[in-house]
Amino acid sequence: QKEVEQDPGPLSVPEGAIVSLNCTYSNSAFQYFMWYRQYSRKGPELLMYTYSSGNKEDGRFTAQVDKSSKYISLFIRDSQPSDSATYLCAMRQFGGGSEKLVFGKGTKLTVNP
Amino acid sequence: DVKVTQSSRYLVKRTGEKVFLECVQDMDHENMFWYRQDPGLGLRLIYFSYDVKMKEKGDIPEGYSVSREKKERFSLILESASTNQTSMYLCASSLSGRAGLYGYTFGSGTRLTVV
Repeated sequence: QKEVEQDPGPLSVPEGAIVSLNCTYSNSAFQYFMWYRQYSRKGPELLMYTYSSGNKEDGRFTAQVDKSSKYISLFIRDSQPSDSATYLCAMRQFGGGSEKLVFGKGTKLTVNP
Repeated sequence: DVKVTQSSRYLVKRTGEKVFLECVQDMDHENMFWYRQDPGLGLRLIYFSYDVKMKEKGDIPEGYSVSREKKERFSLILESASTNQTSMYLCASSLSGRAGLYGYTFGSGTRLTVV
């Protein structure tokens, strides 16, 4: 079983739709969770991060973590064509000599005007 | 803003050439990383470094080496380029310890084609 599994998509939605992006993980030591957005031919950029279970909101974006189910989600409300990108989940543990992030493979999202 | 700068956006090299990919960060980050990104395979860690002159192998180090002589610079070296090393190469950096918990800053990538 891979440490991080991400729905591969691709996902195509109309403008204004609510988008749900998801990842599951197997390592219960993961404590810190991030979502990166990567536009075509660019490097990933950090979009949101969270530590605790529950929801964290930032504008149209909500990150949700359920540590008991080992499941994280990113919701995008009122999606815009500018949200078209690949979204990668990432997570890590702290300590144990590891400073590494573990990434999902990414979900490509297209928002159609 | 932290900036991670990769020296080339696009490179075309011949099989067997020695290739140098350069990465410079300007915010005194201790950790630096090299990834390659391929369709369907995601980001794969090649090498990383926690400090000057220190390096550790990632998941796919074969055919690569690295150099970190200064804190701000981390170089990836393809000793003898092969066509299966055609890829997007991404450099990233982060603070160490708790300060760096919430992720990396990435460069814009170098798209390398080996012919």
